[in-house]
Amino acid sequence: AQRVTQPEKLLSVFKGAPVELKCNYSYSGSPELFWYVQYSRQRLQLLLRHISRESIKGFTADLNKGETSFHLKKPFAQEEDSAMYYCALATGTASKLTFGTGTRLQVTL
Amino acid sequence: ETGVTQSPTHLIKTRGQQVTLRCSSQSGHNTVSWYQQALGQGPQFIFQYYREEENGRGNFPPRFSGLQFPNYSSELNVNALELDDSALYLCASSLAGRGTGELFFGEGSRLTVL
Repeated sequence: AQRVTQPEKLLSVFKGAPVELKCNYSYSGSPELFWYVQYSRQRLQLLLRHISRESIKGFTADLNKGETSFHLKKPFAQEEDSAMYYCALATGTASKLTFGTGTRLQVTL
Repeated sequence: ETGVTQSPTHLIKTRGQQVTLRCSSQSGHNTVSWYQQALGQGPQFIFQYYREEENGRGNFPPRFSGLQFPNYSSELNVNALELDDSALYLCASSLAGRGTGELFFGEGSRLTVL
């Protein structure tokens, strides 16, 4: 069965420090992975997907099939990055997602 | 462009009762998925509807059922409510065939079962 693991419930960093939110997955098929974000008082929204290999708001994520990981990184954290981040794995169609338990990123001055 | 809307936003029920939650999909989207998010957990896939038919189901019992209407709006029904059904229920819409994985979520319906 598919599974997504986000080991950290809370990650607190200083403004300007690098950020790495960890995500590991287990899935026997070809994985399709996403990061979703929920800012305070906003709805859950897509941040980025591995297939497009893009940088969104300075965040990048690389799929490492050998380590079954899809960590989210940003070189310099900003206050507005404070939010709840969920890693998600698509199984079947791309709209059936298995989510991790989420990591709250707190960026402090 | 109208986003995903859900109703009601909050409701309280007692064990054994039944509940219906409603969702209007984003304009132009033909697929609706429902997720359950318990406190401190990530969203968990319940089922998906496409062309008014269930198109995939997660690990939820049959007392969780749904409908999709010709205008792509959807309902989630839960019978014989249990205490563990207390959660935030999220509706998400998407456009089948696009395969981008982008789900557009509503703000959710928070259900409390007493």
